[in-house]
Amino acid sequence: SQTIHQWPATLVQPVGSPLSLECTVEGTSNPNLYWYRQAAGRGLQLLFYSVGIGQISSEVPQNLSASRPQDRQFILSSKKLLLSDSGFYLCAWSPGTGESEAFFGQGTRLTVV
Amino acid sequence: AQTVTQSQPEMSVQEAETVTLSCTYDTSESDYYLFWYKQPPSRQMILVIRQEAYKQQNATENRFSVNFQKAAKSFSLKISDSQLGDAAMYFCAYTINNDMRFGAGTRLTVKP
Repeated sequence: SQTIHQWPATLVQPVGSPLSLECTVEGTSNPNLYWYRQAAGRGLQLLFYSVGIGQISSEVPQNLSASRPQDRQFILSSKKLLLSDSGFYLCAWSPGTGESEAFFGQGTRLTVV
Repeated sequence: AQTVTQSQPEMSVQEAETVTLSCTYDTSESDYYLFWYKQPPSRQMILVIRQEAYKQQNATENRFSVNFQKAAKSFSLKISDSQLGDAAMYFCAYTINNDMRFGAGTRLTVKP
């Protein structure tokens, strides 16, 4: 069966520090991968999605970036965090057919102080 | 830009009653998929129900059903016989060509 791992679960980082959140999927190949951010009490904002290695679509211009170095690995990064980067980050995957629902990781609660 | 709109930030229902959550979307595509997700306090995203746009028949999953109106671009969720465990944030979403978008969510409270 397929599983998705996202870590860390909780992170407190100072303003200006770098960020690296990692997400891996097991039990499938060539998945679509997504990063979403959820501000407190708000909806899910699509940040990045990827349909293959090295293929990243960015939805929101900001100081975040994403990379997909391996087929089932998706990394969210920042060189310098801002206070506004605080939120709940969710990684998700879906089969590459584009017709299935997404399966989500447990999420990372990021607090920038 | 393609969007998903949930016009009800909060809804409340009495236990055992029925509640309907609204969702509208905007797309020029004709082939897509629609979903309702539930997010309990644990924040784990759970799929409630899915609907293929090419199917006219409304999807049903036990106490959950949808009213899909393709021409009106409307996709509402009906929860029958509401239970305390149904209390959560509910998100409407669609996927078009691998791009999955979500609405702002509706917080559902179930009163005993």
